[in-house]
Amino acid sequence: EVQLVESGGGLVQPGRSLRLSCAASGFRFDEYAMHWVRQAPGKGLEWVSGISWNSGRIGYADSVKGRFTISRDNAKNSLFLQMNSLRVEDMALYYCTKDAVDILTGGMDVWGQGTTVTV
Amino acid sequence: SYVLTQPPSVSVAPGQTASITCGGNNIGSKGVHWYQQKPGQAPLLVVYDNIDRPSGIPERFSGANSGNTATLTISRVEAGDEADYYCQVWDSSSDHRLIFGGGTKLTV
Repeated sequence: EVQLVESGGGLVQPGRSLRLSCAASGFRFDEYAMHWVRQAPGKGLEWVSGISWNSGRIGYADSVKGRFTISRDNAKNSLFLQMNSLRVEDMALYYCTKDAVDILTGGMDVWGQGTTVTV
Repeated sequence: SYVLTQPPSVSVAPGQTASITCGGNNIGSKGVHWYQQKPGQAPLLVVYDNIDRPSGIPERFSGANSGNTATLTISRVEAGDEADYYCQVWDSSSDHRLIFGGGTKLTV
């Protein structure tokens, strides 16, 4: 079964840091790009960051650039999001998603259930 | 920066056809993906690359993209189709950025 399981969310004070993790299973993790997408309560979807299969291409939303860092460990089938200098406006449900292709241009065909970040 | 514009809401009677639009500058030159999100659930990809459907998505869901407007069409709408729908593109014109539309609430 294809699955993404996020962890690492929680309650944090403004200005502090948090590291999210996503464990992937059921597919060849090293063949696909991955993303983090967030959704504030009652709001729409917001792309946070994405990383290509080999980490050669990385992108960030303007709202998090310089504060958040995405990374992946293909040997451990894991995706990460290091979040520094957290702000109240970063409070949201954070989804880990799988891209349908190896770069960042495909649709997101697998989504985790999300981990909640409260600032 | 690139902006995708969706109507906040669309209403349709059961059995009718719903059309949800996604406007963007020359969006016809981009690959558009569509997601369905029901309350309390993670989004689900229903159309990718403008017109393709993932396995398991009913043929009632179809997409089109031309000029400045992409459209998700749901035929023979059912009560279970009531959800929020989001369009999405990858904007390669700027610094590697993925864009979502603001979402459309479909009421059946």
